[in-house]
Amino acid sequence: SAVISQKPSRDICQRGTSLTIQCQVDSQVTMMFWYRQQPGQSLTLIATANQGSEATYESGFVIDKFPISRPNLTFSTLTVSNMSPEDSSIYLCSASGTGEAFFGQGTRLTVV
Amino acid sequence: AQSVTQLDSHVSVSEGTPVLLRCNYSSSYSPSLFWYVQHPNKGLQLLLKYTSAATLVKGINGFEAEFKKSETSFHLTKPSAHMSDAAEYFCVVTRMDSSYKLIFGSGTRLLVRP
Repeated sequence: SAVISQKPSRDICQRGTSLTIQCQVDSQVTMMFWYRQQPGQSLTLIATANQGSEATYESGFVIDKFPISRPNLTFSTLTVSNMSPEDSSIYLCSASGTGEAFFGQGTRLTVV
Repeated sequence: AQSVTQLDSHVSVSEGTPVLLRCNYSSSYSPSLFWYVQHPNKGLQLLLKYTSAATLVKGINGFEAEFKKSETSFHLTKPSAHMSDAAEYFCVVTRMDSSYKLIFGSGTRLLVRP
């Protein structure tokens, strides 16, 4: 299994600013992902964080808005750029190893 | 296209009675299927997974799910609900283009009455 630590756990941000969320996994994993959970909704995949190369984004998500880094096998960051109230969501980091996905506790972001 | 449908947005049961959370999936191939639980202000926890072995899958905390290919269903059950089971439950399938990428159902909120 893998334990995933995310920080911050929550934040309230002003519109137009950016927030960087950090994700640390306690073991080396093959794949890391970022998901978004909008209020009262299910999880949607934002992108795959690729080690040492550009992230792979899902339809509807772009690098300029959600830049992602993954400098090594156990660490990734997601930045939410130029925030608007519509970005208020829970952002979750996920790591996959052998047939199972693990999730961090999420970062609850409120944009005011 | 792949999809996951959770048939009930809310399910309310009395403590000690059975739980049934329904999930149907559509896929042109045989995906892996999971149930995750999300307690308030906590992360997602894996309850159980189906990966083409036994069709009846036992998970943690007394939960089970049965994979029925003919019905494309993967319903979650528990014989006796406990107050601590109150949470949001997500039925999840792997994507055809990557077994690491997941498609989440819309979620079912389980309420347990004393």
